[in-house]
Amino acid sequence: DTEVTQTPKHLVMGMTNKKSLKCEQHMGHRAMYWYKQKAKKPPELMFVYSYEKLSINESVPSRFSPECPNSSLLNLHLHALQPEDSALYLCASSRGLAGGPTAYSYNEQFFGPGTRLTVL
Amino acid sequence: ELKVEQNPLFLSMQEGKNYTIYCNYSTTSDRLYWYRQDPGKSLESLFVLLSNGAVKQEGRLMASLDTKARLSTLHITAAVHDLSATYFCAVPMDSNYQLIWGAGTKLIIKP
Repeated sequence: DTEVTQTPKHLVMGMTNKKSLKCEQHMGHRAMYWYKQKAKKPPELMFVYSYEKLSINESVPSRFSPECPNSSLLNLHLHALQPEDSALYLCASSRGLAGGPTAYSYNEQFFGPGTRLTVL
Repeated sequence: ELKVEQNPLFLSMQEGKNYTIYCNYSTTSDRLYWYRQDPGKSLESLFVLLSNGAVKQEGRLMASLDTKARLSTLHITAAVHDLSATYFCAVPMDSNYQLIWGAGTKLIIKP
């Protein structure tokens, strides 16, 4: 299995709703990422999990809450979102870094199909 | 601050023509990635360039990296409509998890 899957593909939610985005990979990757992408812009990194631990949080508002239940799964819990949070949410995975010079050769990220989120 | 600049940001070209997209970055890096994104879709990894002088080719696309000039190019040969997409270059930060992205080049190829 060489892909990253995401569910749902589309999500419409009100500002008082609670919802979750799900991401799964079976490539044995040890790093997983959440990105937010607005139209005509590059993706913006939100969170990075490395070996199932949160290693990077790019000052994301607390209404976004990531969770990594195991090495294959990544969730993004959404609560009290704002209309400006409407965007394409992308999950990605990469091999991750186990330390040592060879591990730094590259850490190519593979992206899932994304969830198109609309907040009303 | 690491910056990645792509140009042009928009390119409209005829089928059969050749063109080059440029990606300049502001700090030392010996790695660079190219991604493709179709409208409303996700990002597809195209090329991983790992060292100075690296050249990779896939079909009508060829990417190269000059780390001394801090420049990567994506060359399109004899363009076809199917290559219409937005192309991003990205440079890893020291952490190797975070990527600094170019703004993207929207490529439209007309029949």
